[in-house]
Amino acid sequence: EIVLTQSPGTLSLSPGERATLSCRASQSVSSSYLAWYQQKPGQAPRLLIYGASSRATGIPDRFSGSGSGTDFTLTISRLEPEDFAVYYCQQYGSSPRITFGQGTRLEIK
Amino acid sequence: EVQLVESGGGLVKPGGSLRLSCAASGFTFSSYSMNWVRQAPGKGLEWVSSISSSSSYIYYADSVKGRFTISRDNAKNSLYLQMNSLRAEDTAVYYCAREGPFGIPFDYWGQGTLVTVSS
Repeated sequence: EIVLTQSPGTLSLSPGERATLSCRASQSVSSSYLAWYQQKPGQAPRLLIYGASSRATGIPDRFSGSGSGTDFTLTISRLEPEDFAVYYCQQYGSSPRITFGQGTRLEIK
Repeated sequence: EVQLVESGGGLVKPGGSLRLSCAASGFTFSSYSMNWVRQAPGKGLEWVSSISSSSSYIYYADSVKGRFTISRDNAKNSLYLQMNSLRAEDTAVYYCAREGPFGIPFDYWGQGTLVTVSS
């Protein structure tokens, strides 16, 4: 099973700043089948990035993903107030097919 | 508009059973693989099970294998999760999620239904 480790656990930043979230896999993620989700309190997760770097439909271009192999990054170029949430990475290319990271909480400083 | 609406959650005693449903609309349900994902209170996301469009391929997380059964009825545009031998650690919000086309993972999610296992 591929274990995903996200860092940091909590990130405190101000609106307008740049956020960099990390996701490290215990083994190589097949074909960059790595996704990022955003979840706000009381809501279902929302797909942001898939295939490591492709934005999902309707996602603003301030969100970008990069990486390959075992190291992946989600970058939010300029934080908006609505971006403060919990972010999860997910790998979906390996048996038992799908695992999630433990999440990074992005909070307002 | 794609919609996924879960139902069937509630309070159940340890060892009991529950059947969750997910009603889909706004897309051709029979063309998409579907999944269940759960989230324990205050915790992260855990994939539970997936089923291919024609039910040919079914997978489970180790934590639920042998106790949970995923199924679907394409004529009714519905996804199900039969949960038996429930444990306290199964307490969570259960989401159904659609696997998108062309290698896109979970592109649409329901609002979730809460399952509480407690005596």
